[in-house]
Amino acid sequence: SQQGEEDPQALSIQEGENATMNCSYKTSINNLQWYRQNSGRGLVHLILIRSNEREKHSGRLRVTLDTSKKSSSLLITASRAADTASYFCATDAPDSWGKLQFGAGTQVVVTP
Amino acid sequence: DGGITQSPKYLFRKEGQNVTLSCEQNLNHDAMYWYRQDPGQGLRLIYYSQIVNDFQKGDIAEGYSVSREKKESFPLTVTSAQKNPTAFYLCASNWGVGTEAFFGQGTRLTVV
Repeated sequence: SQQGEEDPQALSIQEGENATMNCSYKTSINNLQWYRQNSGRGLVHLILIRSNEREKHSGRLRVTLDTSKKSSSLLITASRAADTASYFCATDAPDSWGKLQFGAGTQVVVTP
Repeated sequence: DGGITQSPKYLFRKEGQNVTLSCEQNLNHDAMYWYRQDPGQGLRLIYYSQIVNDFQKGDIAEGYSVSREKKESFPLTVTSAQKNPTAFYLCASNWGVGTEAFFGQGTRLTVV
């Protein structure tokens, strides 16, 4: 079963614009993580936000978490063509022993 | 360099044949995972292991088997009982609860 659901499913923007994608989940969590996947490759970890945190930054990435709404957002500022990838949220639930439940992902295309 | 290695990158299976996908990590991680990814979808958990000589079924374990005889290795066998094995298979590892996962580059399995 999939815990996280990303929105939108696909996003097309131009270089320099910001990209925002959202993730909703169903049960309580220890933390929520965001990953990037380039076509045909493995996933790369971007950022982890714990359930007691509300916002986290890493370079051009900004992640927010609202546990009352069971939702998170990932903002990529000043997008580059190299940001073209699929982005997934993953939740780590209290009884999961470190297993991650992934959403279906948001496919982002950044055009020059 | 530390990392997680999957092999082969591409694998072709005939009907009724068992095949084994390799996953090796030198990150000294305790936990290892196998995920399946179908086109345009998220990752679904097949099996996971939190310690040597122990493993548990994930959400879609039917038709698959694993072993964890060494800390660094977690091979996945796709058996003939798996009726629709064509997919992209991803292996991951982490320190367990509350930690980020590191992924291999994946194995694309095709039934011919």
